[in-house]
Amino acid sequence: DAKTTQPPSMDCAEGRAANLPCNHSTISGNEYVYWYRQIHSQGPQYIIHGLKNNETNEMASLIITEDRKSSTLILPHATLRDTAVYYCIVRSIQGAQKLVFGQGTRLTINP
Amino acid sequence: DVKVTQSSRYLVKRTGEKVFLECVQDMDHENMFWYRQDPGLGLRLIYFSYDVKMKEKGDIPEGYSVSREKKERFSLILESASTNQTSMYLCASRKAGEADTQYFGPGTRLTVL
Repeated sequence: DAKTTQPPSMDCAEGRAANLPCNHSTISGNEYVYWYRQIHSQGPQYIIHGLKNNETNEMASLIITEDRKSSTLILPHATLRDTAVYYCIVRSIQGAQKLVFGQGTRLTINP
Repeated sequence: DVKVTQSSRYLVKRTGEKVFLECVQDMDHENMFWYRQDPGLGLRLIYFSYDVKMKEKGDIPEGYSVSREKKERFSLILESASTNQTSMYLCASRKAGEADTQYFGPGTRLTVL
């Protein structure tokens, strides 16, 4: 799996959009970008994934650059409950695989 | 929505006890996983199961066994609990053949005294 780089921490004001960047310059053609988050003392939660087109669901939007070397997760109207560690991972679709999280970005939403 | 439930949120056991952790998913997923998560070590895969009655060792299977008699249920067994098995245990499930999206349960924080 390609390696990803994320900032260790970010802050965002409640009600504003939170934009979390991720670099994955070694991504290969068949690898997807996935985002998970983990709120303190809870299990990880899947957010969104994409291959090359931008994606949106009820939780977030995922913007992938044209060269696919980086992406941004957007939480359009952050709430205090969005405070969590956010993990960006890159992986191909092939059978059951273990998930390996890097250090992630610790996002703090401030009132 | 996919729902993955785990039998306990918190559990305290004594050294040498046999411990059962149960995980149930309600979305007919074929693949199920048991991880443990420790500070500074991240997620580590203990065992996974492709389908009913199938199991594969993950990275740290020693001291653990699993059982998958029904599709919706995946049990993790600590044969003789030790203090180094104090950890957060996370179960996950995934639909085979689809995007590699794993859905996690809330976790069981196990303390072995």
